[in-house]
Amino acid sequence: DARVTQTPRHKVTEMGQEVTMRCQPILGHNTVFWYRQTMMQGLELLAYFRNRAPLDDSGMPKDRFSAEMPDATLATLKIQPSEPRDSAVYFCASGPAGGEAFFGQGTRLTVV
Amino acid sequence: QQQVKQSPQSLIVQKGGISIINCAYENTAFDYFPWYQQFPGKGPALLIAIRPDVSEKKEGRFTISFNKSAKQFSLHIMDSQPGDSATYFCAASRGYQKVTFGTGTKLQVIP
Repeated sequence: DARVTQTPRHKVTEMGQEVTMRCQPILGHNTVFWYRQTMMQGLELLAYFRNRAPLDDSGMPKDRFSAEMPDATLATLKIQPSEPRDSAVYFCASGPAGGEAFFGQGTRLTVV
Repeated sequence: QQQVKQSPQSLIVQKGGISIINCAYENTAFDYFPWYQQFPGKGPALLIAIRPDVSEKKEGRFTISFNKSAKQFSLHIMDSQPGDSATYFCAASRGYQKVTFGTGTKLQVIP
């Protein structure tokens, strides 16, 4: 059963610390998305990649967030330094060329 | 600028009733309109989707109605069941890129 795998599922960290979230897209999918979900803002697209190249990261705060795909099996989202307002659920999704996106179960981040 | 507006924010329906969630979009370049279902602690899952060349699409108890001229689309859940209780998101995109989500509707189906 192919699925998008995100780690960790939960993360509590102190303000100012670096946070790294990882995503393993479904094998064969060439598009990867990062979303952030909060009660106030709903689902926001942070960045997306096609064939490992960033296509759009306009939704991402550039000063502290960075997204990369070191290889086809791993996507990362880093926050440095983290702030309490970054507390949210972060979702990774992947999709095949010309196909719908499948979401992972998310990483619930709490910054205290 | 909110490109996809969704209503209502919450909805309570009796078991067996019809649940209706409405969405409106602004960008006429959108050509793909999916609906996602999300249960607590889970990621959104694609439920049903439509393209603007058809006015209606039905899959089981779920139907999307699409009005291109009004730039509106809606999800109808027939014979609503307690297991349908979840948050539903409409969305829109050009192709499968950069999907823009509505704000979500929390549906509760009561026995």
